[in-house]
Amino acid sequence: SAVISQKPSRDICQRGTSLTIQCQVDSQVTMMFWYRQQPGQSLTLIATANQGSEATYESGFVIDKFPISRPNLTFSTLTVSNMSPEDSSIYLCSVDQGGVGELFFGEGSRLTVL
Amino acid sequence: AQSVAQPEDQVNVAEGNPLTVKCTYSVSGNPYLFWYVQYPNRGLQFLLKYITGDNLVKGSYGFEAEFNKSQTSFHLKKPSALVSDSALYFCAVRDYNSGNTPLVFGKGTRLSVIA
Repeated sequence: SAVISQKPSRDICQRGTSLTIQCQVDSQVTMMFWYRQQPGQSLTLIATANQGSEATYESGFVIDKFPISRPNLTFSTLTVSNMSPEDSSIYLCSVDQGGVGELFFGEGSRLTVL
Repeated sequence: AQSVAQPEDQVNVAEGNPLTVKCTYSVSGNPYLFWYVQYPNRGLQFLLKYITGDNLVKGSYGFEAEFNKSQTSFHLKKPSALVSDSALYFCAVRDYNSGNTPLVFGKGTRLSVIA
């Protein structure tokens, strides 16, 4: 299974600032996904990031708020822009290696916005 | 659209007793079904999956799950619970017939195993 590293693991941010989360995978993968897990909630897909194309955003998420980069097959970044306390969540990077939907997850980045 | 329901927010079980965490799903086509576990301050760990074949699938840490097409269920089970099994469990589904659709997660069930 893929080993996925996320940075930062946690951060405390001020309202109105932006933070970029990095996701590094130890093997090449086509599809990478970014999920959000709000406190006490399930996982919600933010976007799908394929190398060489624009990220595909789910309903309720927009590129201006959550810009994503996917420069190569092992790396992606998610930026949370102009943060508000409502953005306090765990952000999880995941990859699809098996082709049948089995996802592997990073440890997550816990953001607290004051 | 696909969806997953986990009807119990919390399941409590005594150590050594069997445990069941319930999951029902809805997809338009054939489902791919998954269970994940999340320990405190950790990411999600894959436990097991049903793709096709035998309805009883075995996974990590002694867990198993039974696919029941008529009841559209995929309950997670373990014959003898351990205190270390205490965690948050997520059921997830993907529609096989809809191409690369995203994985949809249930809201999670918190399992508490009491010594």
